[in-house]
Amino acid sequence: DVKVTQSSRYLVKRTGEKVFLECVQDMDHENMFWYRQDPGLGLRLIYFSYDVKMKEKGDIPEGYSVSREKKERFSLILESASTNQTSMYLCASRRRDRGPHEQYFGPGTRLTVT
Amino acid sequence: GENVEQHPSTLSVQEGDSAVIKCTYSDSASNYFPWYKQELGKGPQLIIDIRSNVGEKKDQRIAVTLNKTAKHFSLHITETQPEDSAVYFCAAAHSGGYQKVTFGIGTKLQVIP
Repeated sequence: DVKVTQSSRYLVKRTGEKVFLECVQDMDHENMFWYRQDPGLGLRLIYFSYDVKMKEKGDIPEGYSVSREKKERFSLILESASTNQTSMYLCASRRRDRGPHEQYFGPGTRLTVT
Repeated sequence: GENVEQHPSTLSVQEGDSAVIKCTYSDSASNYFPWYKQELGKGPQLIIDIRSNVGEKKDQRIAVTLNKTAKHFSLHITETQPEDSAVYFCAAAHSGGYQKVTFGIGTKLQVIP
């Protein structure tokens, strides 16, 4: 089974702090994604990566950056956390040769910024 | 870009009844229409998908239908059970370009025993 793990289930940070969310997958997937999930808004794509050191902006990249130094790890960085970044963050991965919908999700990190 | 609308946002049914969730999409280039189930404390999990060249697909108690002309697709769950209680997301994607998946807002399904 594909396993996508996220470093924290719950995280509380203060406004202005730099925040790192880590995601690791164990199935050698080329593609990795970061979404945020908010009530009434569904899942929105923040950033994605098609390979090591490659990244592309999604629909809502403002205030975020990403890093993919190794194939199995994809990090989401909040350079200066703000209260409007309080949300559930979901990481996903996918094999390059499978359909776009065949993404495997991690359990999520619920981030609260105070 | 693609826009996916989903309704209802919440749905309560008695155990054994059927549940129907409906979605519409805007981009005629979309050709994958997946459905995901998110249980409490977990990430979404793909449960079924339908391609643009198929009108209906079934998997045990779950069926999906697609009307490409009207840009509508639906999820039908028959003989609902308490373990079907979850949030369900519809989505649309296409195999070209960056293969981005656009999600609906989700439907919280509660099956009452």
